[in-house]
Amino acid sequence: EAQVTQNPRYLITVTGKKLTVTCSQNMNHEYMSWYRQDPGLGLRQIYYSMNVEVTDKGDVPEGYKVSRKEKRNFPLILESPSPNQTSLYFCASGRRGVTEAFFGQGTRLTVV
Amino acid sequence: AQTVTQSQPEMSVQEAETVTLSCTYDTSENNYYLFWYKQPPSRQMILVIRQEAYKQQNATENRFSVNFQKAAKSFSLKISDSQLGDTAMYFCAFMKYMNNDMRFGAGTRLTVKP
Repeated sequence: EAQVTQNPRYLITVTGKKLTVTCSQNMNHEYMSWYRQDPGLGLRQIYYSMNVEVTDKGDVPEGYKVSRKEKRNFPLILESPSPNQTSLYFCASGRRGVTEAFFGQGTRLTVV
Repeated sequence: AQTVTQSQPEMSVQEAETVTLSCTYDTSENNYYLFWYKQPPSRQMILVIRQEAYKQQNATENRFSVNFQKAAKSFSLKISDSQLGDTAMYFCAFMKYMNNDMRFGAGTRLTVKP
């Protein structure tokens, strides 16, 4: 089954404790992206990648890191989480320049 | 930069009736895609309908149809014969042609009442 898989789906952590949210897709998509969703703001792009070893900042990259060592994986790293990063996070993938995005199930992150 | 505006934070409709969700966007591009995504309480993002800007014909998917007005930069979603399962957050999104960068509106929360 074609899918984008995020883990974990729920995470509560404390300020400053490094965490990684994983994202994997099995559709051989070149494009992958991370979004955060906040009430009244919709989805805002954090980082995206057009191919292996190619990443770029989106609209809200501060406090986040990503890597794209393999085509199927695109982890989101929070080196020192802060409460303002409490949000719902989505990973998405797509064929380069062709189609709409396919989304993972979302990760609800709470930083206390 | 492209912006997408959904001016209706919340809407409600009676079951079996028709409702229209509004979306406007701002772009200088001539070729692009527009989408409506549905997000039910499960949080999953589900593609409802997609429109290519170069196509004049409005896209239709079963009970869902759009009114695409390119000159006015308007892209509304009409849901006919509303069902309880249509209760969800709906997001309008814009994507430049040959560029995967998607821009989303703030969303409209739709409640279908029995």
